[in-house]
Amino acid sequence: AQSVTQLDSHVSVSEGTPVLLRCNYSSSYSPSLFWYVQHPNKGLQLLLKYTSAATLVKGINGFEAEFKKSETSFHLTKPSAHMSDAAEYFCVVSDLGYQKVTFGIGTKLQVIP
Amino acid sequence: EAEVAQSPRYKITEKSQAVAFWCDPISGHATLYWYRQILGQGPELLVQFQDESVVDDSQLPKDRFSAERLKGVDSTLKIQPAELGDSAMYLCASSLANPKMSGYTFGSGTRLTVV
Repeated sequence: AQSVTQLDSHVSVSEGTPVLLRCNYSSSYSPSLFWYVQHPNKGLQLLLKYTSAATLVKGINGFEAEFKKSETSFHLTKPSAHMSDAAEYFCVVSDLGYQKVTFGIGTKLQVIP
Repeated sequence: EAEVAQSPRYKITEKSQAVAFWCDPISGHATLYWYRQILGQGPELLVQFQDESVVDDSQLPKDRFSAERLKGVDSTLKIQPAELGDSAMYLCASSLANPKMSGYTFGSGTRLTVV
């Protein structure tokens, strides 16, 4: 069985300040982990993925995430928020043994000018 | 950049009517997924295909929903009859057989409103 917990349903930051979106997972197998972003009325866009290579993963638009097995976490960070980052972010775990994909409930990021 | 195509983008239908959505995955992607995303929630898997075969439809309400991928390429998701609670975004995604290489690529979705 696998699950994903996004610890915050809403995060609000000021433009230019750091972003931290938290994600914890559980998986019976060595997981692959993804972060997706969804702007209003749009599909999901892949930000970055962890697939058992480097634990610090760099993605698009200045985002990065670090896989910490001991903490079962895969938090998403960005040094400086931009207005265009306002969107909903989903943490996803994939149990590749069975190709099961599980989404978190999402975190809405608000960026204040 | 290759995209997953979905149509229509928006659909309004009356309850008890039939409705169908279409998805064309990225060429060469063997795995195709249909997700339902209710407003304010994360996507929920409805059905997963590997080529033309269904590998997971445990969350598909089979009394009213059906999905097919006859030639292992594009796919159709049908609802008959539609109910008010079916109002949601329906997302299609595709991946290589091993998603480690490609991740999952999502289409822009079909926003269904049942009135």
